[in-house]
Amino acid sequence: ETGVTQSPTHLIKTRGQQVTLRCSSQSGHNTVSWYQQALGQGPQFIFQYYREEENGRGNFPPRFSGLQFPNYSSELNVNALELDDSALYLCASSSTGTYRELFFGEGSRLTVL
Amino acid sequence: GIQVEQSPPDLILQEGANSTLRCNFSDSVNNLQWFHQNPWGQLINLFYIPSGTKQNGRLSATTVATERYSLLYISSSQTTDSGVYFCAVGWGYQKVTFGTGTKLQVIP
Repeated sequence: ETGVTQSPTHLIKTRGQQVTLRCSSQSGHNTVSWYQQALGQGPQFIFQYYREEENGRGNFPPRFSGLQFPNYSSELNVNALELDDSALYLCASSSTGTYRELFFGEGSRLTVL
Repeated sequence: GIQVEQSPPDLILQEGANSTLRCNFSDSVNNLQWFHQNPWGQLINLFYIPSGTKQNGRLSATTVATERYSLLYISSSQTTDSGVYFCAVGWGYQKVTFGTGTKLQVIP
């Protein structure tokens, strides 16, 4: 069984640039959610994808967008990067069965200069 | 939205000691998980426990959903238990909300 994988693990961008983060879900899981974790804080929900559509969104501006592909993998795109976007971005996959247990990848650490 | 509070925020233990971490939530939930975040940032699943009691080695957890709290017990703590412990709650397929975390340091 393959776990959740994310890429890249670390990246550095400058303010105003755009970034794409990638996530492969655990086998058998069809739902992907993304979280932002700033230093010293708990993860904050960005959005969730199911059947290639966004079906839940947290308090994040539209410059945070995503995609889910037919194989259930997902991308998180952030446009017009700001310094406050520096954070650990975590992807989680889950199934839509009775138990909605989340399984997380190792995260992508983004630094915006 | 649902509010999730964890206590204590910080905890320092001598190796071998026991501890109890608490998670209070403000609304009904049917999803509750406990995670350990290691120094590299990965969230490790400890328990999926929307209700009842579970045990896994030195760790156990209890959720009393009607009273809106969950407890994580760590017995005979080891230095490798150090890190941040989060509970995360949700209802149905709605978003999962994380608590504020408990930072645990186990000293030899």
